[in-house]
Amino acid sequence: KAGVTQTPRYLIKTRGQQVTLSCSPISGHRSVSWYQQTPGQGLQFLFEYFSETQRNKGNFPGRFSGRQFSNSRSEMNVSTLELGDSALYLCASSLGGANEQFFGPGTRLTVL
Amino acid sequence: AQRVTQPEKLLSVFKGAPVELKCNYSYSGSPELFWYVQYSRQRLQLLLRHISRESIKGFTADLNKGETSFHLKKPFAQEEDSAMYYCALSKTGFQKLVFGTGTRLLVSP
Repeated sequence: KAGVTQTPRYLIKTRGQQVTLSCSPISGHRSVSWYQQTPGQGLQFLFEYFSETQRNKGNFPGRFSGRQFSNSRSEMNVSTLELGDSALYLCASSLGGANEQFFGPGTRLTVL
Repeated sequence: AQRVTQPEKLLSVFKGAPVELKCNYSYSGSPELFWYVQYSRQRLQLLLRHISRESIKGFTADLNKGETSFHLKKPFAQEEDSAMYYCALSKTGFQKLVFGTGTRLLVSP
């Protein structure tokens, strides 16, 4: 079956702009989690959505938000971009609960 | 606070040598522990988890609750084991993963 897909793969924005990233989970998976990966902080959990509801949230400012649609596809939005938001954003899908997470290839965001 | 510590950024060994990638954690409760691997130009993928008690690609990891460790071991390293390895934990039954900073394993011929 097809894996997790993320679009776009690369993105360049300037400070102050906003950005929306998209994640399409594996068919049948209802849980989507988002992670930020940076050289300084490593992999950090942003949030998890399950059946369109946010179930868990990491320690990120309110500029980071997300949502999930009825087909389980998820988007995350970052408003008022800062230089420090430059990172690889990974999403992972799962059946939920204790089930294995499958990661996408990531979206590389560069903020200039 | 939940924390995962991987003390080595880089571990370099020769083919056929034993490998041990260290992972220590702090967590109040009974977490679930994982090892994830990322090969060059590939996605992050699950290698093994402590509840399954499996050996994957010759790797094993034992959860030591007394020492709060979950070290990854392989008796004979292969060149194809070269990759970035991440230790992670979650609250049992939850998706949120807390990752360590990762250890790059380099296996030389």
